[in-house]
Amino acid sequence: QSALTQPPSVSGSPGQSVTISCSGTSSDIGGYNRVSWYQQPPGTAPKLMIYEVSYRPSGVPDRFSGSKSGNTASLTISGLQAEDEADYYCTSYRSGSTWVFGGGTKLTVL
Amino acid sequence: QLQLQESGPGLVKPSETLSLTCTVSGGSTSSDSSYWAWIRQPPGKGLEWIGSIYYSESTYYSPSLKSRVTMSVDTSKNQFSLQLTSVTAADTAVYYCARRRWQLWAFDYWGQGTLVTVST
Repeated sequence: QSALTQPPSVSGSPGQSVTISCSGTSSDIGGYNRVSWYQQPPGTAPKLMIYEVSYRPSGVPDRFSGSKSGNTASLTISGLQAEDEADYYCTSYRSGSTWVFGGGTKLTVL
Repeated sequence: QLQLQESGPGLVKPSETLSLTCTVSGGSTSSDSSYWAWIRQPPGKGLEWIGSIYYSESTYYSPSLKSRVTMSVDTSKNQFSLQLTSVTAADTAVYYCARRRWQLWAFDYWGQGTLVTVST
């Protein structure tokens, strides 16, 4: 079961914007609006940041936004802050009632 | 506020069975509005979905682990469990339990995770 493809790392300076991509197939990202994104600082459990492609749970800053085009989903963080430094994971529902995660992207705030 | 807490042995020998339990508080495992899931993360690596169980009736497992995984729910104890047989060093990971609310396509609540090491 192949994982979704994310860049290993991205970086940006405070106040800038960064985008993390997540590539899949028509059996997962492209076939359903069931992509979610998770933030994981070191040593902590993942935290839901975006669900169903572009919706933010209560309490997540509106600096975080999600989108999808074809088989690729994206997470954009605008107005970068030092506290955003963490690993980010995408996941998608996949046909057959399964879920698949991306390999994770390490965000460094310079 | 829903809370999840994993528990179980931190060390398992190769070829044996890994058994973990997730205790749910602030909610009910007998609810028909929740799917319960196990997700793992090998040290320094990414997340991997292991499987999900719904209402003690329906189970869904990762194709790569399906032959070794069993999930169950104990509504009397408000817990759900994971069993993974014939473990090897590759199964060493932090194991998380999580919840997916009915009609929410994401895992909205997570436990803190528990490290399980497979070693002699």
